Formats: sequence, structure tokens, C-alpha cells
Amino acid sequence: DARVTQTPRHKVTEMGQEVTMRCQPILGHNTVFWYRQTMMQGLELLAYFRNRAPLDDSGMPKDRFSAEMPDATLATLKIQPSEPRDSAVYFCASGSWTGNDEQYFGPGTRLTVT
Amino acid sequence: GENVEQHPSTLSVQEGDSAVIKCTYSDSASNYFPWYKQELGKRPQLIIDIRSNVGEKKDQRIAVTLNKTAKHFSLHITETQPEDSAVYFCAASIHPGNTPLVFGKGTRLSVIA
Repeated sequence: DARVTQTPRHKVTEMGQEVTMRCQPILGHNTVFWYRQTMMQGLELLAYFRNRAPLDDSGMPKDRFSAEMPDATLATLKIQPSEPRDSAVYFCASGSWTGNDEQYFGPGTRLTVT
Repeated sequence: GENVEQHPSTLSVQEGDSAVIKCTYSDSASNYFPWYKQELGKRPQLIIDIRSNVGEKKDQRIAVTLNKTAKHFSLHITETQPEDSAVYFCAASIHPGNTPLVFGKGTRLSVIA
């Protein structure tokens, strides 16, 4: 049963520190999404990639967030420097350009910035 | 861009009763409408979806209806059970696998035994 994996599952860090979250999409999926979930804003898109190329990162604060896909099996989301308002659950999801398949969500990274 | 509104934000029903959650969307280009169930601390899980060429879809106790003219879609859960208690999200996108989902704010469903 193919699944999206994310690491770490939980991260507690102090304000100002760099945070890196990783995602391994399902093999063969060519589209990767990063969503953030907070109580106030709900689930919102941060960025997404197709065939490793960034298509939309308008949901990310550009001064502190960056997203990359070094290769087809790894997507990263970095926050530098982190702030308490970045505390949230970050979900990665992957999907396929071909067919009518759904988006598959990873288990999420719960980030707490103190 | 797309905007998805979801109502109600909380819903309590007695076990065995039906629950209905409604969503509206703004972008007529959207043609994929999934519903996700999220339990505490877990990932969103797809429970049912509908595409714009279908008006209604049913899967056991869960059904979804779509009215493209009015730009709204609804989730219906019949014979609710305590394990149906969770947060439910509607969403809209252009293509299921490769365009972003725009989510509603969620509905917290409580099924009272």
C-alpha cells in the first residue's frame, strides 16, 4: 500500500531556528503539494510542484519559507528563521497528472515554535 | 481564485440520525469536489468525491450531491454512528491529482450515542 511519508512527525524548536521538513511522495506521482493546517486558517496551500518544477508558491511567506524538490523522491520545506506563528501541522500530498487519481496526504509534521 | 464556504462549522446529531454538510464554491472552472474526514491528530482521508459530470454519488451510508449551476455540493451521512464523529472538509479543484485543493473551513461532527 503506497503512502506519502513525512519526517519529522513532530518538531519543537525555538524562535529563530531553521526547520526542515521532508516528504517522500508516492513513487510515480509527479505532483507534490505542501499544505499548512491551523485552527484559524484551516487547510491552505503553501506551494506545489509538477515534475519537480515549482508551479505556485504564492501561499508561502517568501522571506522565510522555501520549498524545493532535489529529486523526484524528495520534497523539502524549510523555514528560516522560524517564528511562533509558524506553529501548525504541515501536510505533504502527492498526485498524478495522468488518470483520475486522488491526492494522497502524508501523516503531517506537527511544528511547534516557542 | 477559488473560494470554498462550508456550513455548519459544528454539527451534533443523535446516533442513527442523518447529517448534512453544505459547501459552495466560486470558480466555475472547478470540476472535482472531494470530501475528507479528519480524526484528531490524523491526516485528512478521502471519503468520497464527485466530478462535475455527475450530479450524485453514493457509497453505503455516504452520499454527495453536486449542483454546478448553483455552485454548491453537499455531503449526506445516513444512520450516523459514533465513529463518524470527526472534522469533515469539503474541497474543490480543477483536476483531482495535479491541481491544488481549496478547502472549506471544516465541520466538526459529533454523533451522540
